[in-house]
Amino acid sequence: EAQVTQNPRYLITVTGKKLTVTCSQNMNHEYMSWYRQDPGLGLRQIYYSMNVEVTDKGDVPEGYKVSRKEKRNFPLILESPSPNQTSLYFCASSLNGQPQHFGDGTRLSIL
Amino acid sequence: DQQVKQNSPSLSVQEGRISILNCDYTNSMFDYFLWYKKYPAEGPTFLISISSIKDKNEDGRFTVFLNKSAKHLSLHIVPSQPGDSAVYFCAASGASGTYKYIFGTGTRLKVLA
Repeated sequence: EAQVTQNPRYLITVTGKKLTVTCSQNMNHEYMSWYRQDPGLGLRQIYYSMNVEVTDKGDVPEGYKVSRKEKRNFPLILESPSPNQTSLYFCASSLNGQPQHFGDGTRLSIL
Repeated sequence: DQQVKQNSPSLSVQEGRISILNCDYTNSMFDYFLWYKKYPAEGPTFLISISSIKDKNEDGRFTVFLNKSAKHLSLHIVPSQPGDSAVYFCAASGASGTYKYIFGTGTRLKVLA
């Protein structure tokens, strides 16, 4: 089954404690991207990647890092999380560059 | 500065009738537009897209209309079904070769049985 899998689904952590949200897709897609969803703000793109070792900033990249060492994986790294990064995060992938297949989301709470 | 706006936070429609969801944008460089549907506790689902070289695209019950001069697009769902009840997001992408996407804030559609 074609899937985008995010882990963890839920995480409560504290300010400054580095965390990584993993995203994996089994469709051999070249394009992957990360979004955050906040009330009243909709979805905002954080980073995207067109292929292995190729990443670029989206609309709200500050405070986040990504890496794309393998085609299937695109982890989102918060080196020093802060409370304003409390949000619902989605990873997406596609063949053609438009966000097509989304994961089910990761709800992060940073205290 | 919200470049993609969905000014109606919510919409209620009777089952079987037409649902019209609207989206306005401000950046004339946007040339590709998409609609997504999102149920609670799930990721968004891609519905339909349209390129700026077209003014209409249809897929089953879903039709997207693009009015470039007004910088406005709309999603029509005919006939509306209770399973269409969800939050709908429009999104826009800039000039060819960029893969940045700007999303609207969403419209919650409720289809009443």
